[in-house]
Amino acid sequence: EVQLVESGGGLVQPGGSLRLSCAASGLTFSSYSMNWVRQAPGKGLEWVSHISSRGSTIYYADSVKGRFTISRDNAKNSLYLQMNSLRAEDTAVYYCARGWSLHYCDYWGQGTLVTVSS
Amino acid sequence: QSALTQPASVSGSPGQSITISCTGTNSDVGGYNYVSWYQQHPGKAPKLMIYDVTDRPSGVSNRFSGSKSGNTASLTISGLQAEDEADYYCRSYTTSSTWVFGGGTKLTVL
Repeated sequence: EVQLVESGGGLVQPGGSLRLSCAASGLTFSSYSMNWVRQAPGKGLEWVSHISSRGSTIYYADSVKGRFTISRDNAKNSLYLQMNSLRAEDTAVYYCARGWSLHYCDYWGQGTLVTVSS
Repeated sequence: QSALTQPASVSGSPGQSITISCTGTNSDVGGYNYVSWYQQHPGKAPKLMIYDVTDRPSGVSNRFSGSKSGNTASLTISGLQAEDEADYYCRSYTTSSTWVFGGGTKLTVL
């Protein structure tokens, strides 16, 4: 059974940094692209970032470009999101999701809440 | 990266059929057959319901179907059941090598 478990969320002040992790199990992690998707409280889903299976291709939403960095460690079956210069509008539940090439996200974690507030 | 346009809400009675539209542009929905649909119950993670416009993952009821015409994709749910009450989101790949979601549609089963 595929399992994705996010961690690292919490309360951070504006301008601060946070690193999210996503631990994967039940799949050959190195064979799949991965994504981060976020959802602000009471709002819709927003795609944040994508990384290819080997980490060679990375994309970001304009809203986080230059502030967030996605990475992965295939030896540890783990996905990461380094978030710097955080803003109040970054407050959201952050989900990691397995990608099927360009097509879709088929497995999702339960999410980790990031709150940016003073 | 403007969000795809979905109706904010739709409703239907048990047993009826409903359709949720998802309108984009030639740069996303109209340019690729990479439209997917997700169901999300309150407090839960999204669940993939339709991928590549019309395909259904294993385990998803055949009451769920997808289609596309031009820049508009649609999700149809037939034989509505109480458990279908949830938020639904469409998603598409774009020419900017990014992905965009719709704003979401709240489905109410009356």
